[in-house]
Amino acid sequence: AQSVTQLGSHVSVSEGALVLLRCNYSSSVPPYLFWYVQYPNQGLQLLLKYTTGATLVKGINGFEAEFKKSETSFHLTKPSAHMSDAAEYFCAVSDGVNDMRFGAGTRLTVKP
Amino acid sequence: DAGVIQSPRHEVTEMGQEVTLRCKPISGHDYLFWYRQTMMRGLELLIYFNNNVPIDDSGMPEDRFSAKMPNASFSTLKIQPSEPRDSAVYFCASSLTEGETFFGEGSRLTVL
Repeated sequence: AQSVTQLGSHVSVSEGALVLLRCNYSSSVPPYLFWYVQYPNQGLQLLLKYTTGATLVKGINGFEAEFKKSETSFHLTKPSAHMSDAAEYFCAVSDGVNDMRFGAGTRLTVKP
Repeated sequence: DAGVIQSPRHEVTEMGQEVTLRCKPISGHDYLFWYRQTMMRGLELLIYFNNNVPIDDSGMPEDRFSAKMPNASFSTLKIQPSEPRDSAVYFCASSLTEGETFFGEGSRLTVL
């Protein structure tokens, strides 16, 4: 069975600062890993995903994440936060057959 | 394509009433998922279908919950009888095999 732990339910950064949202996973098989973003009163939107191949994955809105097998991590980063990045971010893991399990989410606040 | 379509977007009902949530997946997708989102428990996978067949319903909380997918373009999640603790946002999502999962905008249920 797969599971995901997101470290920090709330993260606050200043506009222009680095964004780092942490995600560690547990999986008995090679994982597929995802980051989703949720804006208020909306569904989830895929930011990026890792399946196989290059471990550094680039997504939309300037976000990227690196799969580190040795650390069982898939942290999400963005070099410079923008006010529009304020949202809830979810890390998810799948065994590749579409059965995704989500973390508890991290709410990102961006201060002017 | 219009994306995953859920209805109703909001429902307020009284304890003991039957609730039916509806979902139209993206045309051609062969997987359909129902998730529940609450502050306390985050995003939980309730059940998912592949080619209209339920594959894993281990996340369905109890017998009061049931889900059906009579055809490739329609699914329902029913709660009978509803209880206040069922209040949550229910998301439907669909995907192609090992493809991106697309989420609907959710149905916000309030049980008084």
